[in-house]
Amino acid sequence: DAGVIQSPRHEVTEMGQEVTLRCKPISGHNSLFWYRQTMMRGLELLIYFNNNVPIDDSGMPEDRFSAKMPNASFSTLKIQPSEPRDSAVYFCASTPSGRGYEQYFGPGTRLTVT
Amino acid sequence: GENVEQHPSTLSVQEGDSAVIKCTYSDSASNYFPWYKQELGKRPQLIIDIRSNVGEKKDQRIAVTLNKTAKHFSLHITETQPEDSAVYFCAARSGGGADGLTFGKGTHLIIQP
Repeated sequence: DAGVIQSPRHEVTEMGQEVTLRCKPISGHNSLFWYRQTMMRGLELLIYFNNNVPIDDSGMPEDRFSAKMPNASFSTLKIQPSEPRDSAVYFCASTPSGRGYEQYFGPGTRLTVT
Repeated sequence: GENVEQHPSTLSVQEGDSAVIKCTYSDSASNYFPWYKQELGKRPQLIIDIRSNVGEKKDQRIAVTLNKTAKHFSLHITETQPEDSAVYFCAARSGGGADGLTFGKGTHLIIQP
């Protein structure tokens, strides 16, 4: 199994541009989570999906952030327009069906907004 | 919502000594407490976890203890080795279903040779 796949691994963009981060969960996992990691705030949960349905998006910082999961094997996190304070590492994680506990993290996307 | 406090933020120990990292949580309904290890530039990886119906769990040199009454849990690493150097995060999960994790701020563990 390839594990959770995220792309791109690194993204550098200018303020005001749209950014789309992508995630492919482990096959058979039915829950998917988006986290953001910064030095100041640590690891924060942004949003999670269960069976492709958004369950809790209370961690999404503002309306500039949106996430979708059109099918069980793909999710996107979009920032529009991006700002320098959005610079962080964004992790996607997925959870096996029937367990709902252990979360497997992807390699992360390092986003730099200049 | 859940709030997780983690201490210390940095811990330096001599190789071979033990290391202890402590966390407290606020939501008495939390029922799952994992510990993640993150090496520089890498993803967090689960090293051990404990559920609220268990008081202690051990896996080789790593052990976790849970005190539900006091709402705190700890990670113990014995006979520390250089490869144990990393940032360690505790986390808590509330309620049922596949809820997200609330993480502590992390402990940078440094193993001195």
